[in-house]
Amino acid sequence: EAGVAQSPRYKIIEKRQSVAFWCNPISGHATLYWYQQILGQGPKLLIQFQNNGVVDDSQLPKDRFSAERLKGVDSTLKIQPAKLEDSAVYLCASSLEVGRKTIQETQYFGPGTRLLVL
Amino acid sequence: KNQVEQSPQSLIILEGKNCTLQCNYTVSPFSNLRWYKQDTGRGPVSLTIMTFSENTKSNGRYTATLDADTKQSSLHITASQLSDSASYICVVKGAGSYQLTFGKGTKLSVIP
Repeated sequence: EAGVAQSPRYKIIEKRQSVAFWCNPISGHATLYWYQQILGQGPKLLIQFQNNGVVDDSQLPKDRFSAERLKGVDSTLKIQPAKLEDSAVYLCASSLEVGRKTIQETQYFGPGTRLLVL
Repeated sequence: KNQVEQSPQSLIILEGKNCTLQCNYTVSPFSNLRWYKQDTGRGPVSLTIMTFSENTKSNGRYTATLDADTKQSSLHITASQLSDSASYICVVKGAGSYQLTFGKGTKLSVIP
């Protein structure tokens, strides 16, 4: 079974530039997550999709971050403009979770995109 | 506020020794607790998921315990191997909620 794919693996940009990350979840997984993981910390949820609808984006800095999941499969996360503090690993994960009552679903993570903002 | 606290922050052990990592949480109401292993430069990989009614769950040399009354969990690693060197992250899901609360992780280093 193919895992969660992410690209690029690494990205270096200057502050105020724009950047986009791509994620292809495991086939059939309804739920897709984007996380930001700053060095030495646990992942922080940015946005959660179920199919192509957003179910939680409460921690997404909407003035500069945006995400979409057209057709309920692939997803892109964009930062525009980037700040120094956006330097982090951006993890994409997917799961079979459908609805709030599912309790045993496993999240499968991609390898992440490591972003460095100079 | 929902929180997950892990201890120790980092740990160094000799190959072949056992170790135990701790996780305390305040998430309520509780649905399940997960332990993930994250190798350097990789995404987290699920080790165990435990619900309210489960006290212990094993995955090879990894054994997780859960005390839902005291809101504590532990991950015990038996006969450690060099490949166990990683960060171990405790994650708690609230009942009736989409949200997962992540701990900051324990960085384990196994040395020969």
